[in-house]
Amino acid sequence: NAGVTQTPKFQVLKTGQSMTLQCAQDMNHNSMYWYRQDPGMGLRLIYYSASEGTTDKGEVPNGYNVSRLNKREFSLRLESAAPSQTSVYFCASSEWDRNNSPLHFGNGTRLTVT
Amino acid sequence: AQTVTQSQPEMSVQEAETVTLSCTYDTSESDYYLFWYKQPPSRQMILVIRQEAYKQQNATENRFSVNFQKAAKSFSLKISDSQLGDAAMYFCAYRGSSGSARQLTFGSGTQLTVLP
Repeated sequence: NAGVTQTPKFQVLKTGQSMTLQCAQDMNHNSMYWYRQDPGMGLRLIYYSASEGTTDKGEVPNGYNVSRLNKREFSLRLESAAPSQTSVYFCASSEWDRNNSPLHFGNGTRLTVT
Repeated sequence: AQTVTQSQPEMSVQEAETVTLSCTYDTSESDYYLFWYKQPPSRQMILVIRQEAYKQQNATENRFSVNFQKAAKSFSLKISDSQLGDAAMYFCAYRGSSGSARQLTFGSGTQLTVLP
């Protein structure tokens, strides 16, 4: 049981390049999320998918797009990377996006944009 | 929007002692859920404990317990008999019950050092 798997673990991009972060969960969860973590700011929600077929903006969506490919997979795309997007990115999933349903996190992707 | 405040960027505790990490939140809702997550140097986010606002009894998980004060909007984490493996960044998180507030909002974290 792998839980939440995200790839890659590390990535370096030049300004203007694009990339897609991949995320898959094997817990049959309905809801999936992308967060970014920056020093002193905790985790901030970029986008989420409450259920298969839906996506919604979170707190910091600018510069990102997402795709809920199926129930298992939720990808995050940076179309034109900027230095401000240097961060650690976490994918997470939960059974539901409500109540006390906890989030289960992947191991994170450290992205550096030069 | 809801805000979650962790006013202690860093804390330290002697091994085997007890430490309390503070968390306050701002909300107009009466029904919500609170969580503490731990992030060790491995970067993995691990659920420590959770509390439903409608429950008066404070949650406990082995050496971890919370002091939930609903009127004061306070949700502190107490770690008893601290161990070296407890050294980590700890995040408090809030989830409301309606609309966009259902998505978890995290505090900025408290870095806990455990001294041998």
